[in-house]
Amino acid sequence: GQNIDQPTEMTATEGAIVQINCTYQTSGFNGLFWYQQHAGEAPTFLSYNVLDGLEEKGRFSSFLSRSKGYSYLLLKELQMKDSASYLCASMDSNYQLIWGAGTKLIIKP
Amino acid sequence: EAQVTQNPRYLITVTGKKLTVTCSQNMNHEYMSWYRQDPGLGLRQIYYSMNVEVTDKGDVPEGYKVSRKEKRNFPLILESPSPNQTSLYFCASSGGEYINEQFFGPGTRLTVL
Repeated sequence: GQNIDQPTEMTATEGAIVQINCTYQTSGFNGLFWYQQHAGEAPTFLSYNVLDGLEEKGRFSSFLSRSKGYSYLLLKELQMKDSASYLCASMDSNYQLIWGAGTKLIIKP
Repeated sequence: EAQVTQNPRYLITVTGKKLTVTCSQNMNHEYMSWYRQDPGLGLRQIYYSMNVEVTDKGDVPEGYKVSRKEKRNFPLILESPSPNQTSLYFCASSGGEYINEQFFGPGTRLTVL
Protein backbone atom coordinates (compact mmCIF):
# COMPACT_ATOMS: atom_id res chain seq x y z
CA GLY A 1 0.00 0.00 0.00
CA GLN A 2 0.91 3.66 -0.17
CA ASN A 3 1.94 5.37 3.03
CA ILE A 4 3.48 8.59 4.27
CA ASP A 5 4.77 8.85 7.84
CA GLN A 6 5.71 12.02 9.67
CA PRO A 7 5.65 12.99 13.34
CA THR A 8 2.35 14.33 14.63
CA GLU A 9 3.77 17.24 16.59
CA MET A 10 7.12 18.91 17.33
CA THR A 11 8.14 21.78 19.56
CA ALA A 12 11.09 24.11 19.02
CA THR A 13 12.42 27.41 20.32
CA GLU A 14 12.45 30.72 18.47
CA GLY A 15 15.80 31.24 16.74
CA ALA A 16 16.69 27.54 16.76
CA ILE A 17 16.78 24.89 14.00
CA VAL A 18 14.27 22.06 13.57
CA GLN A 19 14.21 19.05 11.24
CA ILE A 20 10.90 17.44 10.29
CA ASN A 21 11.27 13.93 8.91
CA CYS A 22 9.08 12.12 6.41
CA THR A 23 9.23 8.53 5.15
CA TYR A 24 7.21 7.43 2.16
CA GLN A 25 6.12 4.30 0.34
CA THR A 26 4.29 4.94 -2.92
CA SER A 27 3.59 3.06 -6.16
CA GLY A 28 6.26 4.68 -8.25
CA PHE A 29 7.83 8.03 -7.44
CA ASN A 30 7.69 11.36 -9.22
CA GLY A 31 8.83 13.72 -6.51
CA LEU A 32 8.46 14.71 -2.86
CA PHE A 33 6.66 17.87 -1.80
CA TRP A 34 6.52 19.93 1.35
CA TYR A 35 3.67 22.32 2.07
CA GLN A 36 3.06 24.70 4.96
CA GLN A 37 -0.43 25.10 6.40
CA HIS A 38 -1.34 27.66 9.03
CA ALA A 39 -4.37 26.84 11.16
CA GLY A 40 -7.61 27.38 9.25
CA GLU A 41 -5.82 28.28 6.02
CA ALA A 42 -4.96 26.59 2.75
CA PRO A 43 -1.68 24.72 2.27
CA THR A 44 1.05 26.67 0.48
CA PHE A 45 3.91 25.16 -1.50
CA LEU A 46 7.37 25.11 0.09
CA SER A 47 9.55 22.72 -1.89
CA TYR A 48 9.79 19.94 -4.47
CA ASN A 49 12.57 17.33 -4.64
CA VAL A 50 12.86 14.70 -7.34
CA LEU A 51 16.62 14.05 -7.20
CA ASP A 52 18.67 12.99 -4.18
CA GLY A 53 20.26 15.73 -2.17
CA LEU A 54 19.59 19.00 -0.43
CA GLU A 55 17.67 21.94 -1.91
CA GLU A 56 18.08 25.22 -0.06
CA LYS A 57 15.61 28.07 -0.24
CA GLY A 58 16.31 30.83 2.27
CA ARG A 59 15.67 29.63 5.83
CA PHE A 60 14.07 26.42 4.56
CA SER A 61 15.89 23.41 3.07
CA SER A 62 14.55 20.07 1.91
CA PHE A 63 16.46 16.81 1.56
CA LEU A 64 15.62 13.64 -0.35
CA SER A 65 17.03 10.10 -0.34
CA ARG A 66 15.12 8.00 -2.87
CA SER A 67 16.88 4.76 -1.93
CA LYS A 68 15.73 5.17 1.67
CA GLY A 69 12.28 6.58 0.91
CA TYR A 70 13.15 9.47 3.19
CA SER A 71 12.94 13.24 3.19
CA TYR A 72 13.32 16.00 5.72
CA LEU A 73 12.45 19.67 5.92
CA LEU A 74 14.97 21.83 7.78
CA LEU A 75 13.88 25.16 9.17
CA LYS A 76 16.58 27.54 10.43
CA GLU A 77 16.38 30.71 12.53
CA LEU A 78 12.88 29.82 13.60
CA GLN A 79 10.35 32.63 13.88
CA MET A 80 7.02 32.63 15.67
CA LYS A 81 5.26 32.84 12.29
CA ASP A 82 6.72 29.40 11.43
CA SER A 83 4.21 27.87 13.84
CA ALA A 84 2.10 25.81 11.43
CA SER A 85 1.53 22.31 10.16
CA TYR A 86 4.02 20.96 7.62
CA LEU A 87 2.65 18.48 5.11
CA CYS A 88 4.78 15.93 3.29
CA ALA A 89 3.42 14.48 0.04
CA SER A 90 4.80 11.99 -2.46
CA MET A 91 3.77 11.97 -6.11
CA ASP A 92 3.11 8.42 -7.34
CA SER A 93 3.46 6.85 -10.79
CA ASN A 94 0.06 8.30 -11.83
CA TYR A 95 1.23 11.78 -10.86
CA GLN A 96 -1.18 11.84 -7.92
CA LEU A 97 -0.13 13.23 -4.55
CA ILE A 98 -0.22 10.96 -1.51
CA TRP A 99 -0.32 13.12 1.62
CA GLY A 100 0.95 12.59 5.13
CA ALA A 101 -1.22 13.67 8.06
CA GLY A 102 1.06 16.64 8.73
CA THR A 103 3.42 17.69 11.51
CA LYS A 104 2.21 20.44 13.80
CA LEU A 105 5.19 22.63 14.70
CA ILE A 106 4.92 24.69 17.87
CA ILE A 107 7.43 27.51 18.33
CA LYS A 108 8.10 28.75 21.86
CA PRO A 109 9.69 32.11 22.66
CA GLU B 1 -4.14 38.20 -9.13
CA ALA B 2 -3.57 34.49 -9.76
CA GLN B 3 -5.86 32.55 -7.48
CA VAL B 4 -8.21 29.67 -6.80
CA THR B 5 -11.58 30.69 -5.38
CA GLN B 6 -14.14 28.55 -3.61
CA ASN B 7 -17.70 29.28 -2.59
CA PRO B 8 -19.19 29.13 -0.10
CA ARG B 9 -16.45 29.37 2.53
CA TYR B 10 -18.74 28.06 5.27
CA LEU B 11 -21.90 26.00 4.98
CA ILE B 12 -24.18 24.32 7.49
CA THR B 13 -26.80 22.08 5.95
CA VAL B 14 -29.01 19.10 6.74
CA THR B 15 -28.81 15.48 5.69
CA GLY B 16 -30.08 14.85 2.18
CA LYS B 17 -30.19 18.43 0.91
CA LYS B 18 -28.22 18.62 -2.34
CA LEU B 19 -25.43 21.16 -2.42
CA THR B 20 -22.70 22.39 -4.75
CA VAL B 21 -19.35 23.88 -3.80
CA THR B 22 -17.89 25.92 -6.63
CA CYS B 23 -14.21 26.15 -7.52
CA SER B 24 -12.70 28.48 -10.08
CA GLN B 25 -9.10 29.24 -11.11
CA ASN B 26 -7.81 32.05 -13.31
CA MET B 27 -4.39 30.57 -14.16
CA ASN B 28 -5.44 28.48 -17.16
CA HIS B 29 -4.37 25.33 -15.32
CA GLU B 30 -5.16 21.98 -16.87
CA TYR B 31 -5.21 19.99 -13.62
CA MET B 32 -7.76 20.51 -10.86
CA SER B 33 -8.50 18.46 -7.77
CA TRP B 34 -10.78 18.27 -4.75
CA TYR B 35 -9.56 17.19 -1.30
CA ARG B 36 -11.13 16.78 2.08
CA GLN B 37 -9.14 17.31 5.23
CA ASP B 38 -10.07 15.70 8.54
CA PRO B 39 -8.13 15.84 11.83
CA GLY B 40 -5.39 13.23 12.00
CA LEU B 41 -6.01 11.98 8.46
CA GLY B 42 -4.35 14.56 6.27
CA LEU B 43 -5.58 15.54 2.83
CA ARG B 44 -7.52 12.88 0.95
CA GLN B 45 -8.28 13.27 -2.72
CA ILE B 46 -11.93 13.03 -3.76
CA TYR B 47 -11.82 13.59 -7.52
CA TYR B 48 -9.40 15.11 -9.97
CA SER B 49 -9.47 16.35 -13.56
CA MET B 50 -6.58 16.38 -16.01
CA ASN B 51 -8.44 18.65 -18.44
CA VAL B 52 -11.88 19.66 -19.73
CA GLU B 53 -14.36 16.76 -19.80
CA VAL B 54 -11.79 14.42 -18.15
CA THR B 55 -12.44 13.46 -14.52
CA ASP B 56 -11.21 10.57 -12.37
CA LYS B 57 -11.91 9.21 -8.92
CA GLY B 58 -9.45 9.85 -6.14
CA ASP B 59 -9.20 7.93 -2.88
CA VAL B 60 -12.59 8.83 -1.37
CA PRO B 61 -15.11 9.52 -4.20
CA GLU B 62 -18.20 7.93 -2.63
CA GLY B 63 -21.02 10.40 -2.15
CA TYR B 64 -19.50 13.06 -4.41
CA LYS B 65 -19.79 14.09 -8.06
CA VAL B 66 -17.80 16.55 -10.14
CA SER B 67 -17.89 18.03 -13.62
CA ARG B 68 -15.37 19.87 -15.78
CA LYS B 69 -17.26 21.59 -18.57
CA GLU B 70 -14.90 24.56 -18.67
CA LYS B 71 -11.20 24.74 -17.93
CA ARG B 72 -11.55 27.27 -15.13
CA ASN B 73 -14.39 25.65 -13.14
CA PHE B 74 -14.53 22.38 -11.22
CA PRO B 75 -17.64 22.20 -8.99
CA LEU B 76 -18.06 19.56 -6.27
CA ILE B 77 -21.59 18.20 -5.91
CA LEU B 78 -23.01 16.37 -2.91
CA GLU B 79 -26.31 14.88 -4.12
CA SER B 80 -27.42 13.66 -0.68
CA PRO B 81 -25.05 14.89 2.02
CA SER B 82 -24.59 12.84 5.17
CA PRO B 83 -22.97 13.75 8.53
CA ASN B 84 -19.80 11.81 7.65
CA GLN B 85 -19.20 14.37 4.90
CA THR B 86 -18.70 17.07 7.50
CA SER B 87 -15.17 18.23 6.73
CA LEU B 88 -12.89 20.96 5.41
CA TYR B 89 -12.77 20.88 1.62
CA PHE B 90 -10.01 22.26 -0.59
CA CYS B 91 -9.90 22.75 -4.32
CA ALA B 92 -6.47 22.88 -5.97
CA SER B 93 -5.08 23.46 -9.45
CA SER B 94 -1.77 23.12 -11.24
CA GLY B 95 -0.41 23.47 -14.76
CA GLY B 96 1.79 25.37 -17.15
CA GLU B 97 5.15 26.32 -15.69
CA TYR B 98 3.84 25.36 -12.24
CA ILE B 99 3.05 21.76 -13.23
CA ASN B 100 4.54 20.43 -9.99
CA GLU B 101 3.03 22.99 -7.62
CA GLN B 102 -0.61 22.79 -6.58
CA PHE B 103 -2.32 26.08 -5.76
CA PHE B 104 -5.05 25.70 -3.18
CA GLY B 105 -8.29 27.57 -2.71
CA PRO B 106 -9.12 29.03 0.73
CA GLY B 107 -11.21 26.04 1.80
CA THR B 108 -14.89 25.37 2.47
CA ARG B 109 -15.91 24.25 5.94
CA LEU B 110 -18.99 22.06 5.57
CA THR B 111 -21.17 20.84 8.43
CA VAL B 112 -23.93 18.32 7.70
CA LEU B 113 -26.45 17.95 10.54
